[in-house]
Amino acid sequence: KAGVTQTPRYLIKTRGQQVTLSCSPISGHRSVSWYQQTPGQGLQFLFEYFSETQRNKGNFPGRFSGRQFSNSRSEMNVSTLELGDSALYLCASSSGLAGGLTAYEQYFGPGTRLTVT
Amino acid sequence: GQQVMQIPQYQHVQEGEDFTTYCNSSTTLSNIQWYKQRPGGHPVFLIQLVKSGEVKKQKRLTFQFGEAKKNSSLHITATQTTDVGTYFCAPLIQGAQKLVFGQGTRLTINP
Repeated sequence: KAGVTQTPRYLIKTRGQQVTLSCSPISGHRSVSWYQQTPGQGLQFLFEYFSETQRNKGNFPGRFSGRQFSNSRSEMNVSTLELGDSALYLCASSSGLAGGLTAYEQYFGPGTRLTVT
Repeated sequence: GQQVMQIPQYQHVQEGEDFTTYCNSSTTLSNIQWYKQRPGGHPVFLIQLVKSGEVKKQKRLTFQFGEAKKNSSLHITATQTTDVGTYFCAPLIQGAQKLVFGQGTRLTINP
């Protein structure tokens, strides 16, 4: 089974720009979660999508948004980039269940390293 | 908000020594997962604990879930250089619907 893939792997943007990151989950997985990882803040949960619906959301500003397509692929968008948005963005997929993010095994992708200058 | 404390933040050991990381919560946990992230890599799922007082073993790794379901630990016996990395606990807070990752314990090993 192919693992979780994320594109692009590296990205450099300037302040004020916007960016879209993509994640393809493991085949058959319906839940996709996004995390931001920084040295200072660790792994922070952004949001989770299940069957094209946002099921859970972390404490991030509205500049961070996402969506999921019918094939379970997901995209994350950050608008009006700030220097503090520089981070490794990780996507994780799991089989999920319609009822909330129960403790399913999360399969992480390699991440997209975003640098904002 | 939910408080998840993972200690220690860093641990350096000699190869062959034991290592333990602890995860403590101020609230009751539904269950807890543990992940390992190698340097430059991404988190990889290790195990999930669900029952109060549960103990699970994976070769040299022993995972425990506290009786009150508010804390958990990961113990590695006789560390090897392949154990290097950051270990994260990820509890699911009872009533919440998302994993809350601890800050992680970074393990380095002197061969």
